[in-house]
Amino acid sequence: NAGVTQTPKFRILKIGQSMTLQCTQDMNHNYMYWYRQDPGMGLKLIYYSVGAGITDKGEVPNGYNVSRSTTEDFPLRLELAAPSQTSVYFCASSWGDTQYFGPGTRLTVL
Amino acid sequence: DAKTTQPTSMDCAEGRAANLPCNHSTISGNEYVYWYRQIHSQGPQYIIHGLKNNETNEMASLIITEDRKSSTLILPHATLRDTAVYYCIAPPPSNTGKLIFGQGTTLQVKP
Repeated sequence: NAGVTQTPKFRILKIGQSMTLQCTQDMNHNYMYWYRQDPGMGLKLIYYSVGAGITDKGEVPNGYNVSRSTTEDFPLRLELAAPSQTSVYFCASSWGDTQYFGPGTRLTVL
Repeated sequence: DAKTTQPTSMDCAEGRAANLPCNHSTISGNEYVYWYRQIHSQGPQYIIHGLKNNETNEMASLIITEDRKSSTLILPHATLRDTAVYYCIAPPPSNTGKLIFGQGTTLQVKP
């Protein structure tokens, strides 16, 4: 099993650009999550999904959108990138409360 | 989530046991205690969890006090690779699996 994979690993965006962060898991987990982590800080939950077709907001959803059309994939969309979205983004999946994390995407918005 | 309180940082000598405390005085009877760690620049990694009994796995041991108001994560023989931020989390039982990460304890293992 590859576990949770994220692409890209690194990305630099200009203000106002858009992009999609990809997340895929091969463990057949129903639950998936997106977190962001700013330098020196803990993880903040952006969005989560309890199954295909079901998504909900976390602590910091503004500026982001998600979709969950399949069990495996949970992409995170940034529509109008802002410098405040410079962060490391982690995707995770779980069957219960034990979450398995991807390696992260480091995003810089200039 | 039950509020958890951890020291900001700790040091440990390589080869010695690292004991990381966590207070969760508001924990309810059906809330588990979970421990994760995050090695620099990597995604968090699950370590162990427990409800009321002590637990042990290949990574660590978890000691929960009888009143469940605090717990201790024990790394029996810390290595330099155990240097990381350790998070103690007590999520409410739910059908979402959401976790709220605090600041955690930065453990520095020194040679």
